[in-house]
Amino acid sequence: ETGVTQTPRHLVMGMTNKKSLKCEQHLGHNAMYWYKQSAKKPLELMFVYSLEERVENNSVPSRFSPECPNSSHLFLHLHTLQPEDSALYLCASSQDASSGANVLTFGAGSRLTVL
Amino acid sequence: GQNIDQPTEMTATEGAIVQINCTYQTSGFNGLFWYQQHAGEAPTFLSYNVLDGLEEKGRFSSFLSRSKGYSYLLLKELQMKDSASYLCAVRDSNYQLIWGAGTKLIIKP
Repeated sequence: ETGVTQTPRHLVMGMTNKKSLKCEQHLGHNAMYWYKQSAKKPLELMFVYSLEERVENNSVPSRFSPECPNSSHLFLHLHTLQPEDSALYLCASSQDASSGANVLTFGAGSRLTVL
Repeated sequence: GQNIDQPTEMTATEGAIVQINCTYQTSGFNGLFWYQQHAGEAPTFLSYNVLDGLEEKGRFSSFLSRSKGYSYLLLKELQMKDSASYLCAVRDSNYQLIWGAGTKLIIKP
């Protein structure tokens, strides 16, 4: 496989469930990102990992917990979510996290619905 | 605060030309990006501008004026497959990407 792969593509969960989103990149990139995309709103950066260390955490509620076990894999663990957390969650990777011309390669996203 | 403005939705005709504008107010500037996102798919990189002027890439061109805080994406010879959302993003002085809400482009035959 090439590019950035996200699983599952669709997820429906109750407010008391625990689930995880998975992201895998096959590009040899050193930085990985989680974004939240809601309808008609700008992309919201949630977390950034550079060389497996978290470098950004944009005041995200603790019910979202990221994990980056190696430079190719990124997880987003979800627990006790709220209906307003329903959105498309996009994973992205880039060569590094801090250069100006840094181009992000995105996965197709995980569509999350919280009931 | 930092802000990116772009039209919510635009409609154009197959074979025509359309210009999608993006204005920005950010803390510093380290480049402007355009991404294309088809419904249900990943955003994909289209262009990057860091200096003033026009960058042409096939049917797509992107223009930047840093003094005016303004960019546009120009799509020529529109095809039905160009129906998508177009996202404008600016990298600020801290190398953070500030995103617009996207412009949904509808192409009609």
